[in-house]
Amino acid sequence: AQSVTQLDSHVSVSEGTPVLLRCNYSSSYSPSLFWYVQHPNKGLQLLLKYTSAATLVKGINGFEAEFKKSETSFHLTKPSAHMSDAAEYFCVVSDLKAAGNKLTFGGGTRVLVKP
Amino acid sequence: DGGITQSPKYLFRKEGQNVTLSCEQNLNHDAMYWYRQDPGQGLRLIYYSQIVNDFQKGDIAEGYSVSREKKESFPLTVTSAQKNPTAFYLCASSIDRGIPYEQYFGPGTRLTVT
Repeated sequence: AQSVTQLDSHVSVSEGTPVLLRCNYSSSYSPSLFWYVQHPNKGLQLLLKYTSAATLVKGINGFEAEFKKSETSFHLTKPSAHMSDAAEYFCVVSDLKAAGNKLTFGGGTRVLVKP
Repeated sequence: DGGITQSPKYLFRKEGQNVTLSCEQNLNHDAMYWYRQDPGQGLRLIYYSQIVNDFQKGDIAEGYSVSREKKESFPLTVTSAQKNPTAFYLCASSIDRGIPYEQYFGPGTRLTVT
């Protein structure tokens, strides 16, 4: 079985400061991991994905995430927050045993960016 | 433009009525999915389909029904049996080739039942 825990339900940062969103996963097999962003009343947009290649993954809008198997973590970072980064972020896991390419979502982290 | 469309964006219904939410994709994806999102919660899978004329229940299928008569279309019906239908509904699609692929999401439909 697979599961995802996002360790912070809310994160507040000042514009221009770093952002860290924490995610731990559980998977019985080699997982694929994703980060999605959702702006209010919108669909989800893929930020980045890890699929067993390089452990440091770069995504859109300056975000990156590092896969650490020993820690079962996939934390999302950005060096300098922008006002447009205010949104909800979801860490997602899937593995080869997930029938139908089913994804398992974390509970989400809402990011507030202060001017 | 390739993508997923959902209509309408907002939908209002009276309790006891069935309502159908539309989802269309032109990405030539094999698999399609319906999720429900409630405030402050992650996404929960309602139904998914990997191929035309076949679909599987997700984690919260009770009170919902789907059909997959065409590869491009995967409509969701919220029936009167769904106890708490007011929610934000998201449709997604993906390649389905045996390894995990990312899913592409539509803009969502917000359903309010009173």
